[in-house]
Amino acid sequence: DIVMTQSPDSLAVSLGERATINCKSSQSILSSSNNENFLGWYQQKPGQPPKLLIYWASTRESGVPDRFSGSGSGTDFTLTITNLQAEDVAVYYCHQYYSYPRTFGQGTRVEIK
Amino acid sequence: EVQVVESGGGLVQPGGSLRLSCAASGFTFSKYYIYWIRQAPGKGLVYVSHTSPDGAATIYADSVKGRFTVSRDNAKNTLYLQMNSLRAEDTAVYFCARDSHRGGCMDVWGKGTRVTVSS
Repeated sequence: DIVMTQSPDSLAVSLGERATINCKSSQSILSSSNNENFLGWYQQKPGQPPKLLIYWASTRESGVPDRFSGSGSGTDFTLTITNLQAEDVAVYYCHQYYSYPRTFGQGTRVEIK
Repeated sequence: EVQVVESGGGLVQPGGSLRLSCAASGFTFSKYYIYWIRQAPGKGLVYVSHTSPDGAATIYADSVKGRFTVSRDNAKNTLYLQMNSLRAEDTAVYFCARDSHRGGCMDVWGKGTRVTVSS
């Protein structure tokens, strides 16, 4: 199984500042067939289902604010939230869909400082 | 509106069975792979299964293999999760989610249905 490890487990960021979440996979999730990283990012607010933010490691889902961005390749990935807003308080998960079983990171809780 | 809605959760004793449903609307259900994902109380997201559009192929997590079975009725736009031999560790909110056709990420999620396995 591919193990997804996020860091940090939680972080507190001031409004308007930047939040950076890292995700590391135990093996490469870059496909040689399409040169895409099979990595997604999800946001989950309390009592709600997850919401897809980013797919292919860096492509923003339709309707997602452009303060959310994804980067990285191979085994190391980053979700960056610039200009943090109060509504961004949530748990964020990375997810690999390169192989079975699909696996998720343990989640990173983002709070307001 | 594109949506999936889960139902069928509840309280069941260890060793018991339960069948969850995932009803889809607003899209051509028969063209999409569908996931079941679960989340134990206060914990993270865990993969359960991934089912092909025609229902002929499902890949299960090892933790549920042999106990859970997925079926789908494309005429009713519904996916089912039959859960047998339930254990305390199966206690979770169960989400169904649409595979986005973009490699396997999940773009439409239901609100989930809660399953509690307890005596």
